[in-house]
Amino acid sequence: DTGVSQDPRHKITKRGQNVTFRCDPISEHNRLYWYRQTLGQGPEFLTYFQNEAQLEKSRLLSDRFSAERPKGSFSTLEIQRTEQGDSAMYLCASSFPGSPYEQYFGPGTRLTVT
Amino acid sequence: KQEVTQIPAALSVPEGENLVLNCSFTDSAIYNLQWFRQDPGKGLTSLLLIQSSQREQTSGRLNASLDKSSGRSTLYIAASQPGDSATYLCASYSGYSTLTFGKGTMLLVSP
Repeated sequence: DTGVSQDPRHKITKRGQNVTFRCDPISEHNRLYWYRQTLGQGPEFLTYFQNEAQLEKSRLLSDRFSAERPKGSFSTLEIQRTEQGDSAMYLCASSFPGSPYEQYFGPGTRLTVT
Repeated sequence: KQEVTQIPAALSVPEGENLVLNCSFTDSAIYNLQWFRQDPGKGLTSLLLIQSSQREQTSGRLNASLDKSSGRSTLYIAASQPGDSATYLCASYSGYSTLTFGKGTMLLVSP
């Protein structure tokens, strides 16, 4: 399967712990996006990369969140000092840099903070 | 700021019915509009993408239309099947970095 993959699929953690998620995009895609989705809502944009450069961050991405894409391939999203409000599905997507900018999504990581 | 609204929030139909899902957006200066399907607890599957220069796209039993001037898109599903049960999301792309999503329409097709 050559789609977007995410690991882990599920993560349960206690409040105050740090967690890290990984996303592997489709191999020829230069752009990589992170979204967060809470129950009953559509996904909300967090940040995106073109190659290894982080080009935009949402105001939803507090200073407890950090994302990296060190070699322009896979990306990691780290949440420090987790809070119960961080419980959500974290979705990764990738796309070619040019038209028509179609984004392909991974299966997501479900985070539960207890 | 772009806002995307989807109506209805939920829809229940018997198998075999044709149905229409609606999506409206506030900023007509979009680059494209994408329809997704999401099964419970899963990621998003792209169904159709309509570029701003297009009026509609078709894939199998699905047809999506786009009217930029009125800020509307519709997803038409013909001859619905129980396997079509899922949440359907529309998202607009304004030529920068991000997709702006609606909250989705939860569809239940009963046998």
